This record gives sequence, C-alpha cells and structure tokens, in this order.
Amino acid sequence: QTVLTQPPSVSGAPGQTVTISCTGSSSNIGAGYDGYWYQQVAGGAPKMIIYGNSNRPSGVPDRFSGSKSGSSVYLTITGLRAEDEADYYCQSYDDRLSGSRAFGGGTKLTVL
Amino acid sequence: QVQLVQSGAEVKKPGASVKVSCQASGYTFSNYDINWVRQAPGQGLEWVGWMNPKSGNTGYARKFQGRVTISRNSSLNTAYMELRGLKSDDTALFYCARARGWTGLDYWGQGTLVTVAS
Repeated sequence: QTVLTQPPSVSGAPGQTVTISCTGSSSNIGAGYDGYWYQQVAGGAPKMIIYGNSNRPSGVPDRFSGSKSGSSVYLTITGLRAEDEADYYCQSYDDRLSGSRAFGGGTKLTVL
Repeated sequence: QVQLVQSGAEVKKPGASVKVSCQASGYTFSNYDINWVRQAPGQGLEWVGWMNPKSGNTGYARKFQGRVTISRNSSLNTAYMELRGLKSDDTALFYCARARGWTGLDYWGQGTLVTVAS
C-alpha cells in the first residue's frame, strides 16, 4: 500500500487547467518533508518536473507549478497540451518507512 | 551532459539472482547518491534503495531488505543493484536515478527490464 494517495486519473481539454493532488499524513508531507513530482510519458523513464514542493528544474515549462498545504502537495498544469498526456507521480519521505522515499500511486492525465 | 546508462534486459528463472548496472557520466560520480526504483508492468513506481558512492553507505526499502544489495565500482563510475531469490512478481523495469541527498531524483537511466519466468 502507498502512503501518498493520488487520484487514479484526471482529464482536461487542451487549454484547460488541471490539478493533481497528493495526500499524505503527519509522518510524511505533514511532517515537513518536501514533495516532488515526476512525469512519465508512455514508454519513457520518469522525469522530475517539480522539486522542493514548488520549484521547476531548468527546461520545465512554467505551465507546470507545484504547491503544498498541510499534508498534501499539488501539481497544477495550465494551458493543457496534447504532449502533457502522461502518468504523474508524487514523491516524498516517510518517517514510518525509516525516512525512505515514498511514491504516490500515480495519476494518469488524459488530454481530451 | 549527465547520463545514466543501464545494462540490457535480463531473463531469469525463479530463485535466481540478477545484477543490473548503471554507468554514470557527465558529472562527478561521488557527489550524488544513486537510487533504484522498480516499476512492474502497468504499475507505479516503487523505491528499492540508495547508495552514497563516496561512503558506500546504503539504505533499502523494508520490502527488499535481505534480498537486495546496492554496490559500486567508483573506478568505472558504475553502480549495481543485485536482487536475489527472484520471484515471478519481480518481473519489472528497474531504473537507476541520481539524487543529492534528500532531494529529488533529477536524472534517470533508461530502465532495465528483468523478466522472471520458468
């Protein structure tokens, strides 16, 4: 079982805005650990798109943004494009796992 | 440019062991931890463990403790993940990924498919 909960799927039309949630608890995100987001396009390796809750690595479009509130982190994608269709995973750390990395179950984004 | 290049696909029988390599280039190998992540077919990402190439310190997910060993050959800028006692549900893609301490996994290898079948 995962300690970070994501919705299995979200969808949106081109140009729209979608937000993906990642809900944790007081032993992970709520304990102050940072959240990270990865994008995995079909057949490819994951790619980090948000680090430290809200920071974008160089080269990631500013259409992608992250935020944190309480025990949850959020990924928002504005101006949806067809190429954003992918699986998105959140990641943090969990004290109950001896500080190990923990991934959310992943969210499939479909661009309609 | 930073690259992590993994070894090729493996087919193993149940009970066997597999050792996957991850060769780093484009950065100072000792300055970043190497993590390993498993992805079963059609499933999500699962963290396996990490290693600090400078110290050799390692840490493993409880699920894999006792069955996995992460090691390195610094002269080759290469990290290894060995998984023993393979079962059919170990069939998965295994990725190596780089991180500086408790930060995100900023570069990933291309993945190595390990198939366990009799």
